Amino acid sequence: DAGVTQSPTHLIKTRGQQVTLRCSPKSGHDTVSWYQQALGQGPQFIFQYYEEEERQRGNFPDRFSGHQFPNYSSELNVNALLLGDSALYLCASSPGTGSKNIQYFGAGTRLSVL
Amino acid sequence: AQSVAQPEDQVNVAEGNPLTVKCTYSVSGNPYLFWYVQYPNRGLQFLLKYITGDNLVKGSYGFEAEFNKSQTSFHLKKPSALVSDSALYFCAVTRGEYGNKLVFGAGTILRVKS
Repeated sequence: DAGVTQSPTHLIKTRGQQVTLRCSPKSGHDTVSWYQQALGQGPQFIFQYYEEEERQRGNFPDRFSGHQFPNYSSELNVNALLLGDSALYLCASSPGTGSKNIQYFGAGTRLSVL
Repeated sequence: AQSVAQPEDQVNVAEGNPLTVKCTYSVSGNPYLFWYVQYPNRGLQFLLKYITGDNLVKGSYGFEAEFNKSQTSFHLKKPSALVSDSALYFCAVTRGEYGNKLVFGAGTILRVKS
């Protein structure tokens, strides 16, 4: 049973560019959340998708957007990249949005903005 | 607002000795608490959770955590540390109406020396 998979594993972009990160949830999971983990910090919640809609959003600007597909996979898009966007981006999936539901994380995509 | 504090950046312990990684939280209402572990170049791996019931929660790999409502703490413990337990540990909190959007602490590095 495949867990949460993310692609690509590493990415290098320059300031002002746009980037798309991808996530496939664990089998049987329909909810995908995205987190940003800056170096030396804990993950920060970006947003959550369920039934192809954004259900919750953290304190991130509109440059961060996402999408969920009918097969529950998800994309995270970041426009107009800033140096401060350099981080590990983690995708987590769960069986629903309930607060008791455990989130299972992928290995992440490390984004470097030069 | 919810918040988590992990007061120790790093915890050092000798192999075979008991270990404790501290976590305190702030949330109005009843908290749901989680511990995750992160190995280098890996995503977060779920260890255990507290939702309700017994204050002592048992999880994976021999870890357990004690919920203390009066002290708003949820410390992670293990009776006998292994070198392979060396990793970065995160405490996280949510509560019912926030779904499973997690708020993480900054993390604690655990080093177990042989």
